Amino acid sequence: SYELTQPPSVSVSPGQTARITCSGDALPKQYAYWYQQKPGQAPVLVIYKDSERPSGIPERFSGSSSGTTVTLTISGVQAEDEADYYCQSADSSGTYPEFGGGTKLTVL
Amino acid sequence: QITLKESGPTLVKPTQTLTLTCTFSGFSLSTSGVGVGWIRQPPGKALEWLALIYWNDDKRYSPSLKSRLTITKDTSKNQVVLTMTNMDPVDTATYYCAHSPYGYCSGGSCYYYYYMDVWGKGTTVTVSS
Repeated sequence: SYELTQPPSVSVSPGQTARITCSGDALPKQYAYWYQQKPGQAPVLVIYKDSERPSGIPERFSGSSSGTTVTLTISGVQAEDEADYYCQSADSSGTYPEFGGGTKLTVL
Repeated sequence: QITLKESGPTLVKPTQTLTLTCTFSGFSLSTSGVGVGWIRQPPGKALEWLALIYWNDDKRYSPSLKSRLTITKDTSKNQVVLTMTNMDPVDTATYYCAHSPYGYCSGGSCYYYYYMDVWGKGTTVTVSS
């Protein structure tokens, strides 16, 4: 089955920039999406189609893509950004979606 | 405003069939491009996508669970139903339904972006005897 690989954890101090990566062989062909999930809450879409930001999502959240890796960047990290982040994409033929294993962002 | 709410049993026994209902408002599953998906999350673990159904009744299933899943829609009731057979304790999880906003058909083929832009709060299902 297709796999998306994320680092288990990323730590950053407030005000710094956090970068969370997601790797997968189909990423050059398929869009990536990013979700933020805080404890006890449902996921929230923060980036769609690699780099688009839904309305209501702060500008400090951005996404980029390069080859088989996509990156979620959070600039000027705030304490409220501490959460789990999941990337999601589709297999190379676009038959089904899949989630990455998730990255826990810790704000020191 | 789009909202979704999951409902179903909180406890099922091993080997039983789980039936979950997603009741939504703010959109119609008869509108071109729209879909509703199911995703689950075992305690302390990652999200796992399960199934999607679209306005045109096209369906997608997780390859690893396909034999156990059925997704259907009732457009008149604004509901989507997921059934999962042969439940096991490893299926204990929070189950979410979500709105998927983008699909289109062209030249006899349909294409989907598969992302979920609005989620329900989830419902917890425990599998135990």
